Amino acid sequence: DQQVKQNSPSLSVQEGRISILNCDYTNSMFDYFLWYKKYPAEGPTFLISISSIKDKNEDGRFTVFLNKSAKHLSLHIVPSQPGDSAVYFCAASASSGGSYIPTFGRGTSLIVHP
Amino acid sequence: KAGVTQTPRYLIKTRGQQVTLSCSPISGHRSVSWYQQTPGQGLQFLFEYFSETQRNKGNFPGRFSGRQFSNSRSEMNVSTLELGDSALYLCASSLGGTNIFHEQYFGPGTRLTVT
Repeated sequence: DQQVKQNSPSLSVQEGRISILNCDYTNSMFDYFLWYKKYPAEGPTFLISISSIKDKNEDGRFTVFLNKSAKHLSLHIVPSQPGDSAVYFCAASASSGGSYIPTFGRGTSLIVHP
Repeated sequence: KAGVTQTPRYLIKTRGQQVTLSCSPISGHRSVSWYQQTPGQGLQFLFEYFSETQRNKGNFPGRFSGRQFSNSRSEMNVSTLELGDSALYLCASSLGGTNIFHEQYFGPGTRLTVT
């Protein structure tokens, strides 16, 4: 059973517009969340994180929103650029027990058209 | 500073064989984690080594094992390969705090094909 779900396998957006990538989780023990970006033939690179004590975290064009009651996470990219075209992975972990073993979603492929 | 390197980048093995993959972390990083990425299951955590000790383990069979050397380099071994082991194997390193997730840097991966 998938504990972290990215229900949209792909998303297509026009350059300059907002990209919204969504992620849902089922494990209420998850308290630390991250987004990674992955280009073909490269490993994932860390984008932005958020802990459960916050509901929003911003870093430049990237903002992550956390809705704990809905167990929902979203990544907003504003404005979107063609270089943002990549696969985006949502990931979550639980600090209980101190292990922080990460659980990943299956990814959403974002295509930003010029 | 050099990034995480993985060797080999591509590998083809036959069912029943065993394979060893290598990972060199970023200098100064003491934690090395291994992940398996497949189209069907996505990215899954295999295990994490810190100071030559396995500190965390995912839900994979015992055919998957690893080790870490005193210079923090790590190897992953898969014995008795099955067709389903065909995947991209990613290594990630970090400084090694309790949260292995934090400031984790990935290598480019080793693409393993089992025929």
